Amino acid sequence: GIQVEQSPPDLILQEGANSTLRCNFSDSVNNLQWFHQNPWGQLINLFYIPSGTKQNGRLSATTVATERYSLLYISSSQTTDSGVYFCAVEGKLIFGQGTELSVKP
Amino acid sequence: SQTIHQWPATLVQPVGSPLSLECTVEGTSNPNLYWYRQAAGRGLQLLFYSVGIGQISSEVPQNLSASRPQDRQFILSSKKLLLSDSGFYLCAWSVQSEAFFGQGTRLTVV
Repeated sequence: GIQVEQSPPDLILQEGANSTLRCNFSDSVNNLQWFHQNPWGQLINLFYIPSGTKQNGRLSATTVATERYSLLYISSSQTTDSGVYFCAVEGKLIFGQGTELSVKP
Repeated sequence: SQTIHQWPATLVQPVGSPLSLECTVEGTSNPNLYWYRQAAGRGLQLLFYSVGIGQISSEVPQNLSASRPQDRQFILSSKKLLLSDSGFYLCAWSVQSEAFFGQGTRLTVV
């Protein structure tokens, strides 16, 4: 089956810094999503992005399907951005292991 | 608009007791429905997947079962819980492609 790898596994930032999270997948996909899991465990949809680039406020994402990776950009990070970021691919949503982000004030 | 309800939010059950977690979706028809488990650590493991009433795919052999008695209802069950069944259980739905998650049930088996 498809393997999904996320990097880095952990990231500590100072408030206001920018960051890039990466998601690599082992085969071509028709579906890719990014989620943010908040401290209460809820999975929040960030982007549905099987290809191309999307932006939503301070967050943006790019998927290069032909090269089998997706990037999530967080600009001007805030403490509320803390949590775990997941990418997931395909219809059955195969998840990566996530990137745990901690933003310090 | 579509919403997903999952309950209970937390549950503490003794080893050997039965389990029933329920998930319902409103505002859509014939969704794909999913049960995931997140154990200690971060990864989410797909447990069951359903494309319609009575159609259940089991992704991982285990002590759990799932049923879909109605179009927008998905139930996760166990006859006898094990300590290893502890974790955070999440229900999700999708139509076409993008998936949305419920708020999850934190299960502790003691």
